[in-house]
Amino acid sequence: GQNIDQPTEMTATEGAIVQINCTYQTSGFNGLFWYQQHAGEAPTFLSYNVLDGLEEKGRFSSFLSRSKGYSYLLLKELQMKDSASYLCASSDSNYQLIWGAGTKLIIKP
Amino acid sequence: DGGITQSPKYLFRKEGQNVTLSCEQNLNHDAMYWYRQDPGQGLRLIYYSQIVNDFQKGDIAEGYSVSREKKESFPLTVTSAQKNPTAFYLCASARGLAIYNEQFFGPGTRLTVL
Repeated sequence: GQNIDQPTEMTATEGAIVQINCTYQTSGFNGLFWYQQHAGEAPTFLSYNVLDGLEEKGRFSSFLSRSKGYSYLLLKELQMKDSASYLCASSDSNYQLIWGAGTKLIIKP
Repeated sequence: DGGITQSPKYLFRKEGQNVTLSCEQNLNHDAMYWYRQDPGQGLRLIYYSQIVNDFQKGDIAEGYSVSREKKESFPLTVTSAQKNPTAFYLCASARGLAIYNEQFFGPGTRLTVL
């Protein structure tokens, strides 16, 4: 079957680094997305990985290992505004995204 | 400014009533999607459309209907046949169906059935 797993909630301290993991099982894998969603708002795009390796975008980086069915989102120099849910989504062969339930990240001062 | 809008932000309906959620985009995107988001669950696809006058069922289409008469608009009707309609509904658009195309989301409509 198709499945996405990510932790339900994580807590980190302002200024620190946090890594949010995502494991996936999808048929016809065509890439993995990370989105950020503040409470009650729309998800916004963070990254897309289709090849193995690390992609860096400012304070945010995303990693993919296709052989392991594994991705992570790395957030550096955490700010209070980074408190949000982070959604992992894997593509399948039917042009659809399979979404994880999201990881709620709580940033403490 | 280009973007995707949904209205209303909050919607209340009585059981047994149909209700239509609006979704409009001015990004000139071909593909549009409707998702449902429930607490503790990932987004679930209701319907999607890759071109005007064509749309496809997603994973949870039962009790919902859509139309795509214009490129810019993709309204969703929640019918009385939908057994548990209370949820947060998100509309999204993308340049095309190709999976590498980032999806842009509207602000969402929170529907509550009384």
